[in-house]
Amino acid sequence: SQKIEQNSEALNIQEGKTATLTCNYTNYSPAYLQWYRQDPGRGPVFLLLIRENEKEKRKERLKVTFDTTLKQSLFHITASQPADSATYLCALDPSNTGKLIFGQGTTLQVKP
Amino acid sequence: ETGVTQTPRHLVMGMTNKKSLKCEQHLGHNAMYWYKQSAKKPLELMFVYNFKEQTENNSVPSRFSPECPNSSHLFLHLHTLQPEDSALYLCASSQALAGVLAHEQYFGPGTRLTVT
Repeated sequence: SQKIEQNSEALNIQEGKTATLTCNYTNYSPAYLQWYRQDPGRGPVFLLLIRENEKEKRKERLKVTFDTTLKQSLFHITASQPADSATYLCALDPSNTGKLIFGQGTTLQVKP
Repeated sequence: ETGVTQTPRHLVMGMTNKKSLKCEQHLGHNAMYWYKQSAKKPLELMFVYNFKEQTENNSVPSRFSPECPNSSHLFLHLHTLQPEDSALYLCASSQALAGVLAHEQYFGPGTRLTVT
């Protein structure tokens, strides 16, 4: 069956460290993958998109990698801050039509 | 603010009630989406409208009825809901170029629905 998996357990790290979140998928061949941030009681906010021909994408302290062989994306936040605490969702578009399939999200807690 | 607003933010309704959720986007987009987010479950795509035409109905029960009168407004009409329909309902919009849905989506804050 087709599915997207993110670590369901919360990730707790110390301020200043690098947070690494994982998104694995099976039985999809997406042209691109996206990452969103969601705070409690709010809608997801788009962060980054990486295409299948891109190995790595960066935006300020954020870095995303995309390995189509492993069917995995890694999301890194460097020099993490307590304000980075949120749930991070990965999403892909199996048919390249904008109809996104989301993972269940990983909650990140950055402690001061 | 993302440019997508939703009202009401909270709604409690009985199983025999009829209510509507409203979404408005101020981004000039022409594709709009309804998602359902239940506790401990991933976001589930419900409906997609592209240039006011419904292009996706993801096997949603008929007690949920969407309406898209123009590219800026989207409604979700609710009737005879079940307690398991209690969830956060999120609206999103995106650009569509020549009918092809672009990639990043902009979400509203959601309506927290409780069915009693």
